[in-house]
Amino acid sequence: EAGVAQSPRYKIIEKRQSVAFWCNPISGHATLYWYQQILGQGPKLLIQFQNNGVVDDSQLPKDRFSAERLKGVDSTLKIQPAKLEDSAVYLCASSLRTGVIEKLFFGSGTQLSVL
Amino acid sequence: AQSVTQLGSHVSVSEGALVLLRCNYSSSVPPYLFWYVQYPNQGLQLLLKYTSAATLVKGINGFEAEFKKSETSFHLTKPSAHMSDAAEYFCAVSERSNTGKLIFGQGTTLQVKP
Repeated sequence: EAGVAQSPRYKIIEKRQSVAFWCNPISGHATLYWYQQILGQGPKLLIQFQNNGVVDDSQLPKDRFSAERLKGVDSTLKIQPAKLEDSAVYLCASSLRTGVIEKLFFGSGTQLSVL
Repeated sequence: AQSVTQLGSHVSVSEGALVLLRCNYSSSVPPYLFWYVQYPNQGLQLLLKYTSAATLVKGINGFEAEFKKSETSFHLTKPSAHMSDAAEYFCAVSERSNTGKLIFGQGTTLQVKP
């Protein structure tokens, strides 16, 4: 079975520029997650979708970050404008459904460097 | 709020030696607990999970973890390390809400020496 696909693999931008990341979850998975992983820290949930609706975006910096999941399949995460502290790996994950014991399947991530 | 603390950001063992990665959690209610592993250039994958059934949980690749409520711990062990076990390991706790949000520890890098 195909895994969670993410692109690009790496991205280098200057501060105040904008950037977008793309994620295609495993086919049939209703729930999609975006996590931010700063070097030396564990992943932190930014936003969670159930189909095309937002379940949790409490830790998403909404003044600069936005995400959408049109048609309940693939998703885009955007940062505009980027700050130095946004340098991190952005992980996308999906699960069959939403629930406390659901297994998450992660993509390889997009490594963002903001200079 | 729930949280997870992993003791030791780096652990080094010799091939064939016991692997012990420590995880302590903070929760006001019985939690669901997970261990995920991240191999180089790959996404995180689930090793095992505790969901309030048996306190000793067996996972993939010979790993197991024991839930100890009295110690608020969920340490990961493997009797004999292989070179292929070298990776970063994350302990996580799930909020007891229907969203299933995971809160991760900071991770422990396991090095296996020949």
